[in-house]
Amino acid sequence: AQSVTQLGSHVSVSEGALVLLRCNYSSSVPPYLFWYVQYPNQGLQLLLKYTSAATLVKGINGFEAEFKKSETSFHLTKPSAHMSDAAEYFCAVSEPSGGSYIPTFGRGTSLIVHP
Amino acid sequence: DSGVTQTPKHLITATGQRVTLRCSPRSGDLSVYWYQQSLDQGLQFLIQYYNGEERAKGNILERFSAQQFPDLHSELNLSSLELGDSALYFCASSEQSSGNTIYFGEGSWLTVV
Repeated sequence: AQSVTQLGSHVSVSEGALVLLRCNYSSSVPPYLFWYVQYPNQGLQLLLKYTSAATLVKGINGFEAEFKKSETSFHLTKPSAHMSDAAEYFCAVSEPSGGSYIPTFGRGTSLIVHP
Repeated sequence: DSGVTQTPKHLITATGQRVTLRCSPRSGDLSVYWYQQSLDQGLQFLIQYYNGEERAKGNILERFSAQQFPDLHSELNLSSLELGDSALYFCASSEQSSGNTIYFGEGSWLTVV
């Protein structure tokens, strides 16, 4: 069975600082991994997706994530935070189950960016 | 704009009532997913349809049901509503049912009073 753990329900950084949002997963097979972002009163928007092509995945808005199989991690980073990055971030894992792939989401991490 | 359309955006109803939430997937997407987002449970998968047929079931209550129509739009029916059903209900769609990225609508806010 697949599951996702996001360490830290809230992460606070200063504008211009490094952003690191942690995600660990459990999966019995090589999974698909995703990061989504949710801005207030909006739906979830895909940031990036890992599909086994490359361990370092680049996404939108300067975000990237590195797949580390040995650590079962898929942490999201951005070198320099911007005020507009303040949002809720969700990590998700998707593996085959009964002929279908159903993404399972973590509880989310709220990113707070201080001026 | 993801291309997934959900209506209504907001809905307030009383306990015991029944509501229907509607979803139009992205053009060309055959698979529709329903998720419930609440503060205490997070984002929970409810049910998936693919080309009109139920494909996977998650934590969906018996009071809830869904269907996908020939034109691929989907409806989520919630009946005998309780206060605890108040949540944001998301529809998402993907091209197929396997491994593709799912794209979310903006959600339907349901408040049960």
